[in-house]
Amino acid sequence: NAGVMQNPRHLVRRRGQEARLRCSPMKGHSHVYWYRQLPEEGLKFMVYLQKENIIDESGMPKERFSAEFPKEGPSILRIQQVVRGDSAAYFCASSPFNRGTDTQYFGPGTRLTVL
Amino acid sequence: QKEVEQNSGPLSVPEGAIASLNCTYSDRVSQSFFWYRQYSGKSPELIMSIYSNGDKEDGRFTAQLNKASQYVSLLIRDSQPSDSATYLCAVGGTTSYDKVIFGPGTSLSVIP
Repeated sequence: NAGVMQNPRHLVRRRGQEARLRCSPMKGHSHVYWYRQLPEEGLKFMVYLQKENIIDESGMPKERFSAEFPKEGPSILRIQQVVRGDSAAYFCASSPFNRGTDTQYFGPGTRLTVL
Repeated sequence: QKEVEQNSGPLSVPEGAIASLNCTYSDRVSQSFFWYRQYSGKSPELIMSIYSNGDKEDGRFTAQLNKASQYVSLLIRDSQPSDSATYLCAVGGTTSYDKVIFGPGTSLSVIP
């Protein structure tokens, strides 16, 4: 059973460009979470999605950031017009059921570097 | 605002000793509790989950939960240098609309 997959693993962008991060949850999982981790800091919740539905986006910056989880295909975290402060590790996690009590399984992360 | 707090680190213990990691949470109705380990530059990996008051043991790891005190801990017996990592406490809600809240993490260093 393949785990949570994220790609790319490393992404370099220049200021003003767009970054697209992809996450494929574990087979059978329909709930996806995105987290950001700055160097030497803790995990910060960004958004919680189910298929075709955003459940909680309270951790998402109001501008430039968006997320989706379509019926088919991976979840996408999109950052428009990136700035140096967006440089961080972005982790995706998935869980099988629609309960906030479920274990989350993490992908390997995407390291975004903004030049 | 739901909060999860962990004892500030870094925590250093000698090899073979018991490492004790603590976590408190603010939401009384929380039902699920998780400990994750994160090595530097890697993603978090689940160590244990606990849902009921009391102790839960898995190998060298023991999770302890006290819902009345809103406290959960992780004990690592016979600590090894390979246990050196950041340990994240996470607390889950009760409905499909709740998200799991992560604490800031405690850095553990096991000295050979």
